[in-house]
Amino acid sequence: EVQLVETGGGLVQPGKSLKLTCATSGFTFNTAWMHWVRQSPDKRLEWIARIKDKSKNYATDYVESVKGRFTISRDDSKSGVYLQMNSLKEEDTATYYCTTIRNYWFVYWGQGTLVTVSS
Amino acid sequence: DIQMTQSPSFLSASVGDRVTLSCKASQNINKYLAWYQQKLGEAPKLLIYNANSLQTGIPSRFSGSGSGTDFTLTISSLQPEDVATYFCLQHNSWYTFGAGTKLELK
Repeated sequence: EVQLVETGGGLVQPGKSLKLTCATSGFTFNTAWMHWVRQSPDKRLEWIARIKDKSKNYATDYVESVKGRFTISRDDSKSGVYLQMNSLKEEDTATYYCTTIRNYWFVYWGQGTLVTVSS
Repeated sequence: DIQMTQSPSFLSASVGDRVTLSCKASQNINKYLAWYQQKLGEAPKLLIYNANSLQTGIPSRFSGSGSGTDFTLTISSLQPEDVATYFCLQHNSWYTFGAGTKLELK
């Protein structure tokens, strides 16, 4: 059974940092391209980051709104993917999901972790 | 950037009704469109991919159609368990979700 479990969310002040972790199991993590998608309080979904596998040199891509502030990474030995979020803004408040693709579409999702940026 | 516009934003229908949801892309996305169902407190669930392919395990009352810029999700006979918000997603150029259609029972 495929499982993705996100942790690390919480309440953080604007300008501060937070690191999210996604622990996975049940699929071949080493060759999977991993993504983070977030859902704002008004329920809008936004793709924010992707990391490819080793064969693609772990290349990363980001949505414009988080470039330079967020960093996606992975540890194949732990089947984990991470999202380091720096210089957080109130508009980053959202539930953050990790997800992976089958046949080019997001099929497997975690349960999400809530990040609230507020003073 | 490609924008995805869903309509209506809210829909109320009765059990057994045929329900049609719309998603329009701001430019041609060929058939690179998927539909997701999200129930309260859950992650999105893939229903339809490549505009008209039914994901494994999804009931056959769900179907998708369209190509280019105009797409439709149809539920042939609405069931109580179909109450949810439905999102479209394009990946012709990166990934963009629509704002969703909230479906409730009348």
